[in-house]
Amino acid sequence: EAGVTQSPTHLIKTRGQQATLRCSPISGHTSVYWYQQALGLGLQFLLWYDEGEERNRGNFPPRFSGRQFPNYSSELNVNALELEDSALYLCASSLEGGLRETQYFGPGTRLLVL
Amino acid sequence: GDSVTQMEGPVTLSEEAFLTINCTYTATGYPSLFWYVQYPGEGLQLLLKATKADDKGSNKGFEATYRKETTSFHLEKGSVQVSDSAVYFCALSDGATGNQFYFGTGTSLTVIP
Repeated sequence: EAGVTQSPTHLIKTRGQQATLRCSPISGHTSVYWYQQALGLGLQFLLWYDEGEERNRGNFPPRFSGRQFPNYSSELNVNALELEDSALYLCASSLEGGLRETQYFGPGTRLLVL
Repeated sequence: GDSVTQMEGPVTLSEEAFLTINCTYTATGYPSLFWYVQYPGEGLQLLLKATKADDKGSNKGFEATYRKETTSFHLEKGSVQVSDSAVYFCALSDGATGNQFYFGTGTSLTVIP
């Protein structure tokens, strides 16, 4: 069974540009979660999508947005990039949406903003 | 707000030593608690979880008990192996704060032969 996949693996942008990150969940999983892992800060919860709807978002500005497609894959968009957006962005999926569900993580996309 | 605090690393142990990685939490509601592990070169994966007070999660010789009275979920293993070398993350999910997920900063463990 294929795991969670993310693309691209690395992304280099300049300040002010937009970045688009993509995630494909494990087959059959309907929930997708996005996290930012900046150096020394652990994982910060960004967004949760379930059945195509945004269920919740973390404490991030509106320039962080995303969507979930009918096939349950997801896209994270970061507009007006700032230097501090440089981080590893992790996507996870779960079989169902829920706080007790195990999340399965992808390898991440490393974003560098210059 | 909710938060997770875990002991700072790195931790270095000899093979067969006893391991404890401390994790304490602050939560508004009744959270579910998790330990995730990241082996070198691999993605995060669930190690164990507990969804209510006094529950004990266990897997691969690791254990953690959900202690509501001390707001703790310490990870323990009686005899570590070199293959346990990894980064360990404590995490919680709390519906009382609008379905949020919180992770600790991770504790790096190195086990030497």
